[in-house]
Amino acid sequence: AQSVTQLGSHVSVSEGALVLLRCNYSSSVPPYLFWYVQYPNQGLQLLLKYTTGATLVKGINGFEAEFKKSETSFHLTKPSAHMSDAAEYFCAVSERFEKLVFGKGTKLTVNP
Amino acid sequence: ETGVTQTPRHLVMGMTNKKSLKCEQHLGHNAMYWYKQSAKKPLELMFVYNFKEQTENNSVPSRFSPECPNSSHLFLHLHTLQPEDSALYLCASSPGTGGSNQPQHFGDGTRLSIL
Repeated sequence: AQSVTQLGSHVSVSEGALVLLRCNYSSSVPPYLFWYVQYPNQGLQLLLKYTTGATLVKGINGFEAEFKKSETSFHLTKPSAHMSDAAEYFCAVSERFEKLVFGKGTKLTVNP
Repeated sequence: ETGVTQTPRHLVMGMTNKKSLKCEQHLGHNAMYWYKQSAKKPLELMFVYNFKEQTENNSVPSRFSPECPNSSHLFLHLHTLQPEDSALYLCASSPGTGGSNQPQHFGDGTRLSIL
């Protein structure tokens, strides 16, 4: 079965600093990987996805993620954090037929 | 109106009440999902419907009863719930083409509180 591990349930950065949210997965087949963001009192919004092709994926709001097969990782980064990036971030891997398996989430705090 | 809409946004009910959660999608998708999001737990997939047929029931207690009358609407009927059922219930939809690379689109959820 596929699984997702997000290292660090809470990450705190200063405004303007690099954001790095870690995600490792396990999968017996080539994975499809997703990052979602959840703002308070809202549902999940797709940030970016990796399916095939280029391993560096660019998403919305300046985020990007790199698929590294050898490390079974799909870490999310943003060069410069903004106050509006404060939210909870979920990594997910796709099983058969669009079934997503989610990590436990990482709550990002951005300090002024 | 676009996207996935869930109503109500908030619901408080007693353990003996019967209520229903509604989800509607305007994306032309054929697959719909119910998730439960509790504090400090990963999102739990509850049910999956594809072309109105239930394709997955993730060992959900029978006090939760889903209904999918068409590809655009999904309901979750609730009865005799327990305090541990208090959570955010999220609905999602996806194209339903069978490709694992299709992302799901989520509604804003219904915050359910059981008294």
